[in-house]
Amino acid sequence: KQEVTQIPAALSVPEGENLVLNCSFTDSAIYNLQWFRQDPGKGLTSLLLIQSSQREQTSGRLNASLDKSSGRSTLYIAASQPGDSATYLCAVRYGGSQGNLIFGKGTKLSVKP
Amino acid sequence: GAVVSQHPSWVICKSGTSVKIECRSLDFQATTMFWYRQFPKQSLMLMATSNEGSKATYEQGVEKDKFLINHASLTLSTLTVTSAHPEDSSFYICSAREEGGLSYEQYFGPGTRLTVT
Repeated sequence: KQEVTQIPAALSVPEGENLVLNCSFTDSAIYNLQWFRQDPGKGLTSLLLIQSSQREQTSGRLNASLDKSSGRSTLYIAASQPGDSATYLCAVRYGGSQGNLIFGKGTKLSVKP
Repeated sequence: GAVVSQHPSWVICKSGTSVKIECRSLDFQATTMFWYRQFPKQSLMLMATSNEGSKATYEQGVEKDKFLINHASLTLSTLTVTSAHPEDSSFYICSAREEGGLSYEQYFGPGTRLTVT
């Protein structure tokens, strides 16, 4: 069964800290992996998408890495800010470009001023 | 970027009634739309995939007679929860895929909070 796990479930850090969110997946035959941000009661905002052939993607203070063979991805957030507080979801796509996304339960991040 | 809207953003209905949720792709054509359900502190779970002009494909365990999906145009899909019960209370999120190009990226709506009393 294809499953996506995110650790930790919740994380609280002081403003300015660098932090890492973890995502693991049971089936390494992924097509791509995507990190999303979800604010309370809101939909999803795509942050980074990594194709299976890529090792990492960067956008501003965010860096996502992918180690397909070990079934892991990390989302690194540099110099965290209170505005980064949200739930971060990892989703893996299998079965090609039109395959379905399988989501983890998310990591709820709280950045304290 | 591509925008997906949902209406209403929240709805409260009585047990036994039906409620319709709309999902629109505002600036692109989406031949495929997806409906997800999210319970508190849980993953988004795919309920069904709809293609414009054809019947939706439901995931295992999702009752197609209870969750009616209509994808009548390239920009609109609707989810109707029939004979709603309190256990149907959840956050429903739609997603639309922009066809063509290389990415086949999915864009997500803001979600609809359904509360059944």
